[in-house]
Amino acid sequence: EVQLVQSGAEVKKRGESLKISCKSSGYTFTRYWIGWVRQMPGKGLEWMGIIYPDDSDTRYSPSFEGQVTISADKSINTAYLQWSSLKTSDTAMYYCVRPNAEATASSAYDLWGQGTMVTVSS
Amino acid sequence: SSELTQDPAVSVALGQTVRITCQGDSLRSYYASWYQQKPGQAPILVFYGKNNRPSGIPDRFSGSSSGNTASLTITGAQAADEADYYCNSRDSTVNPRDVIFGGGTKLTVL
Repeated sequence: EVQLVQSGAEVKKRGESLKISCKSSGYTFTRYWIGWVRQMPGKGLEWMGIIYPDDSDTRYSPSFEGQVTISADKSINTAYLQWSSLKTSDTAMYYCVRPNAEATASSAYDLWGQGTMVTVSS
Repeated sequence: SSELTQDPAVSVALGQTVRITCQGDSLRSYYASWYQQKPGQAPILVFYGKNNRPSGIPDRFSGSSSGNTASLTITGAQAADEADYYCNSRDSTVNPRDVIFGGGTKLTVL
């Protein structure tokens, strides 16, 4: 089955670091870009950035550049989103997404992870 | 970066037709994709490109585009269609690999 399975919910304190994961299965991981999308409580979807696992080519939204790091380990078909110092405003659901076509940073995301809820307290 | 604008809320009577719109300069260069999100669930892709509906999406969902406006039309809306709908597209202003989302439209089926 083609799927993205994300790591579980996290509860952290302001200033702590965090790395969440998105494991792919059922398709060739290195042939598709993988992106991350944020959804703050009760709010809309925000595109954070995207990575091509084959060569780790990465693009960040200007809104998230310098705030998070996107990476991928093609040996275990897993993408990551990490923070070095969390803020309370990072409290949100985070989704990993995959475009519908190989080797293209298409905006048509036909595969979504189940989401990882990150809660940051002060 | 550019923006995509959606009406915050739209309502439709059961069985009637509703159009949800998305406006933005990037839509002059790129097609929109449309997503349906129900409470507590991840979004799902319901329409994309010029005329593409993913497998399993009912054919009552259709899309169109003209100028800087993309539309998602639901013909014969069902109670199950009540959800939030988001558009997105590539961002034509900075880097074509960048993607932007609209703010979302809450669809109520009366």
